[in-house]
Amino acid sequence: QVQLTESGPGLVHPSETLSLTCTVSGFSLTGYSVYWVRQPSGKGLEWMGRMRYNGDTSYNSALKSRLSISRDTSKNQVFLKMNSLQTDDTGTYYCTRPTGGYWGQGVMVTVSS
Amino acid sequence: DIVMTQTPSSQAVSAGEKVTMSCKSSQSLLYSENKKNYLAWYQQKPGQSPKLLISWASTRESGVPDRFIGSGSGTDFTLTISSVQAEDLAVYYCEQYYDTPFTFGSGTKLEIK
Repeated sequence: QVQLTESGPGLVHPSETLSLTCTVSGFSLTGYSVYWVRQPSGKGLEWMGRMRYNGDTSYNSALKSRLSISRDTSKNQVFLKMNSLQTDDTGTYYCTRPTGGYWGQGVMVTVSS
Repeated sequence: DIVMTQTPSSQAVSAGEKVTMSCKSSQSLLYSENKKNYLAWYQQKPGQSPKLLISWASTRESGVPDRFIGSGSGTDFTLTISSVQAEDLAVYYCEQYYDTPFTFGSGTKLEIK
């Protein structure tokens, strides 16, 4: 069955780089797009960007300058890297396969010194 | 970027009542070539990942109860719950996937009296 699992550090220091991995199973990354969505604690959803099935990427306008999404199809993984983290980047980060509405359980990231 | 505006921000209803919530986009989400509206509705219960309820503005996902009804076209959309149940306590988000960057509304929090 389709599964997406996010992983990464729970704590990142201000100004550092966040690196997250979304490991998928039950489908191929060359057949489906995967998005990253985040949610500050107690707030709404924010679309961050996507890795299309063909390898193309798109990004949130406000995050574009510090965000990068890549993939390794042989490992069934999609990666998110975001630099210059600040405290307002604290929240839960999700990866999702929109076709069929599949979401990971999310990973909580806290930015703090 | 397309701005999604949801109203109200919260509402409280009794079980069995009908509830409607609105989502308006800053530009049309109707693609003329296929006559489809690129609008989705998500439900997020406390402590859970979002769940896709409706895509293409009015197509319920498999397993979603038929009391959830999506309607609208162009820039104005509505999610109706025909007879609210206690388990419908959640925040409901609309999302446009007409053009990148995709964007979410700020959500409507549904409370049960």
